[in-house]
Amino acid sequence: ETGVTQTPRHLVMGMTNKKSLKCEQHLGHNAMYWYKQSAKKPLELMFVYNFKEQTENNSVPSRFSPECPNSSHLFLHLHTLQPEDSALYLCASSQGYSRYGYTFGSGTRLTVV
Amino acid sequence: GESVGLHLPTLSVQEGDNSIINCAYSNSASDYFIWYKQESGKGPQFIIDIRSNMDKRQGQRVTVLLNKTVKHLSLQIAATQPGDSAVYFCAENPGTQGGSEKLVFGKGTKLTVNP
Repeated sequence: ETGVTQTPRHLVMGMTNKKSLKCEQHLGHNAMYWYKQSAKKPLELMFVYNFKEQTENNSVPSRFSPECPNSSHLFLHLHTLQPEDSALYLCASSQGYSRYGYTFGSGTRLTVV
Repeated sequence: GESVGLHLPTLSVQEGDNSIINCAYSNSASDYFIWYKQESGKGPQFIIDIRSNMDKRQGQRVTVLLNKTVKHLSLQIAATQPGDSAVYFCAENPGTQGGSEKLVFGKGTKLTVNP
């Protein structure tokens, strides 16, 4: 365990479903991130939160809705997804906008059917 | 915009050999670089980092080399072991841009170690 925990590890959902991904960190970090990792592509930054405030939305479709109730928890609410949204969704945290790297969770493998 | 890329998508080596994984970056303002290792079913894990004021840094069995002239980064793994099989990718920090400093990641090279 890296200190960043993501649940569930695997998720299969239909295009009309609503589901949520959860991320939790106990590292005392105040910045949290959602990344999308698709095959043969670089990590795609989706959202950034710093001290619970969203500081970046990287042109993510509205069917992805993040929530950060406190500095230790981050959610990604999903609704009416498309098959191309199938990917590994990674959560990361850092101390501030750490220039010195992020700590990643193990990810949620999402399959949209 | 800035981007980070890798020269080879896959690399296959024999156990015990040395491995070299390469990375090219485009932002000459980047001053900090990281190598991550991602094993199957896991998130990326920090391996080693280097600042732009250095050209070499060594860790345990790993060495990172930075050539700022050609904007090239490499990761050398000595005596590669089966447990080293993973996807490796580099990340750069392009410095303060718009008030935030976020890492930019490359695509990754899949290293396979043959017994």
